[in-house]
Amino acid sequence: GAGVSQSPSNKVTEKGKDVELRCDPISGHTALYWYRQSLGQGLEFLIYFQGNSAPDKSGLPSDRFSAERTGGSVSTLTIQRTQQEDSAVYLCASSLLGQANYGYTFGSGTRLTVV
Amino acid sequence: AQSVAQPEDQVNVAEGNPLTVKCTYSVSGNPYLFWYVQYPNRGLQFLLKYITGDNLVKGSYGFEAEFNKSQTSFHLKKPSALVSDSALYFCAVRDEGNTPLVFGKGTRLSVIA
Repeated sequence: GAGVSQSPSNKVTEKGKDVELRCDPISGHTALYWYRQSLGQGLEFLIYFQGNSAPDKSGLPSDRFSAERTGGSVSTLTIQRTQQEDSAVYLCASSLLGQANYGYTFGSGTRLTVV
Repeated sequence: AQSVAQPEDQVNVAEGNPLTVKCTYSVSGNPYLFWYVQYPNRGLQFLLKYITGDNLVKGSYGFEAEFNKSQTSFHLKKPSALVSDSALYFCAVRDEGNTPLVFGKGTRLSVIA
C-alpha cells in the first residue's frame, strides 16, 4: 500500500487478556520495526525484523511480548496477560533493507488501553 | 550504545520568531541523525536527516538542522515559527550499521499567535 497500515487504531482490553496488534508495511520495505510510545517516555524500541534474518528482540520488555512477521510482509505484535503498564501507543515502521541512511515510515499507531 | 537527549520537554515561541529545538547524541562511529514530527493523533512524519556532507540540512516545512560534531548536537531550527508548527518533535540517531533508530523523549513545541 501507499503507507504503513496499523489495526486496530484503538483497543481497550481487560487486564489479563491477550491482544494482537497488526502492521502492514509499505510494499517492498523489508525492514519492519515496532516501537512503544508511553506518555513522557518517548519512543521505546521493541523489536526489529530485517528480511529473512532472525529478529532483533532486544527491546521486548518481558516474555509476555512476542511478534512475528509472515511472508516478509505483515507483522503481528502479541501481548499476553496484559497489564495496566502495557497501556501505550504501539507504533510500527518500515524501511528499505540495509539502507542505514533511510528514515522510517511510521503508521498511525494502535492506542492500547488496559483497564 | 546510541543515545539521544532532548533537554527541553516544552518549548514556547511566539509566531514569527525563530525557533530552536535542541538535541544531543552519543554514538560509536559516524552518526545518522533524524528529526521527526508528530501532530496530534497522527503517526510520526519524517522532517529531515543528516548522513554526510554539509552540516546544515534543510527539510520539510521550512525546517533545518545543524550538525555539530564537536558538540555532538543536531539542533532543529526554523527562522520564523508558525502556529501550525505546534507539535511533538523527536530527534533520533543510529550508527552506520543497520541498527534500529534510537529516539529522544520528544520536545513539545507550542507556537503562540
